Amino acid sequence: KNEVEQSPQNLTAQEGEFITINCSYSVGISALHWLQQHPGGGIVSLFMLSSGKKKHGRLIATINIQEKHSSLHITASHPRDSAVYICAVSQGAQKLVFGQGTRLTINP
Amino acid sequence: ETGVTQSPTHLIKTRGQQVTLRCSSQSGHNTVSWYQQALGQGPQFIFQYYREEENGRGNFPPRFSGLQFPNYSSELNVNALELDDSALYLCASSPAPGANVLTFGAGSRLTVL
Repeated sequence: KNEVEQSPQNLTAQEGEFITINCSYSVGISALHWLQQHPGGGIVSLFMLSSGKKKHGRLIATINIQEKHSSLHITASHPRDSAVYICAVSQGAQKLVFGQGTRLTINP
Repeated sequence: ETGVTQSPTHLIKTRGQQVTLRCSSQSGHNTVSWYQQALGQGPQFIFQYYREEENGRGNFPPRFSGLQFPNYSSELNVNALELDDSALYLCASSPAPGANVLTFGAGSRLTVL
């Protein structure tokens, strides 16, 4: 079992739908990151969370430390949101452990 | 200079060869981490450098080595290339180890034939 598990692995939705991507982890963490990776490889950091909830535009990230679970939500999804979304956890100051990613496709 | 720049963007090598990948960190970021991302997988931590010293290492053999320079640039060197080394190699810089600002480069895609 991977230390960081994401679900679903693939998600296809219509423009405008509300999207939820889930992340569960089994190790102690100092923080959790949500990252976006577009075709070609570039990774953009969306959020870093250690508790509670953060919002940026149409993106919302939540974390439940007791349940070792985080969710990334996208409201009013748009085709430009199509990308791979990756959950990663910080173990100490050095290491990020990544999930396998969720491939999101938003159709017009 | 803003952002993280990696070079080359793509390269092809053969088994047994050596490769050097380069990363230019964001100005003021004295910490750089390198990751290997195989096709369809999440990135795997290779190692981190902080103030020109190795500051943590993942489960990679010694033929993966690195250097960090005072001008915020760094290198990842891989000796005796194997087919399984084919992957996207990403570097990420931050102002300090564990800082909540993390900037990734676009990656170097290595193909080993």
